[in-house]
Amino acid sequence: EVQLVESGGGLVQPGGSLRLSCAASGFIFSDYYMDWVRQAPGKGLEWLARSRNRANSYSTEYAPSVRGRFTISRDESMDSVHLQMNSLETEDTAMYFCSRRSMASAYAFDFWGRGTMVTVSS
Amino acid sequence: IQLTQSPSSLSASIGDRVTITCRASQGVRSYLTWYQQKPGKAPRLLIYGASTLQTGVPSRFSGSGSGTDFTLTISTLQPEDFATYHCQQHDDYPLTFGGGTKVEIK
Repeated sequence: EVQLVESGGGLVQPGGSLRLSCAASGFIFSDYYMDWVRQAPGKGLEWLARSRNRANSYSTEYAPSVRGRFTISRDESMDSVHLQMNSLETEDTAMYFCSRRSMASAYAFDFWGRGTMVTVSS
Repeated sequence: IQLTQSPSSLSASIGDRVTITCRASQGVRSYLTWYQQKPGKAPRLLIYGASTLQTGVPSRFSGSGSGTDFTLTISTLQPEDFATYHCQQHDDYPLTFGGGTKVEIK
């Protein structure tokens, strides 16, 4: 069974940093692209970052709103993907979801974690 | 690529036919996905490739369109369909979502 479990959220002051983690299981982690998506309270979904699979050298892509502040990385030994978030702003307050890009469904995100909440406030 | 969903919300009754549209600011071919999200939950994949139903999704859901104009239709609304629906394009970076459509009970 595919599972994605996020952790690492919490309360942080503006300008601070936080590292989110997503533990994956139930599939061959290195074969899949992995993404982070967030949702501010009462708002829509916003794609943040992508880590491609091993065959594509785990290369990355970022949304303009987080490029230079957020870094996505993978730990192949632990089947986990991380999101290092620096220079956090109040606008970064959101639920952060980890998702898997399907290999069979026209690039859709076929599995999602339950999310981890990040609150940026003084 | 901006995705504009309409309406942003709607009220409907059980058994109604519901149509939600998603318009892209430029062509996304058929790389358009629909998700359903219930309060406090992660999104659930409904339709990918603009019109292909994900395994396990009821056949009352359907999708159509290509290029810039897409539609999600629920043929006969059921109680469990009250949720927010999001479209997403996968054709170009940055990947983007529509603003969402909340389907509420009339």
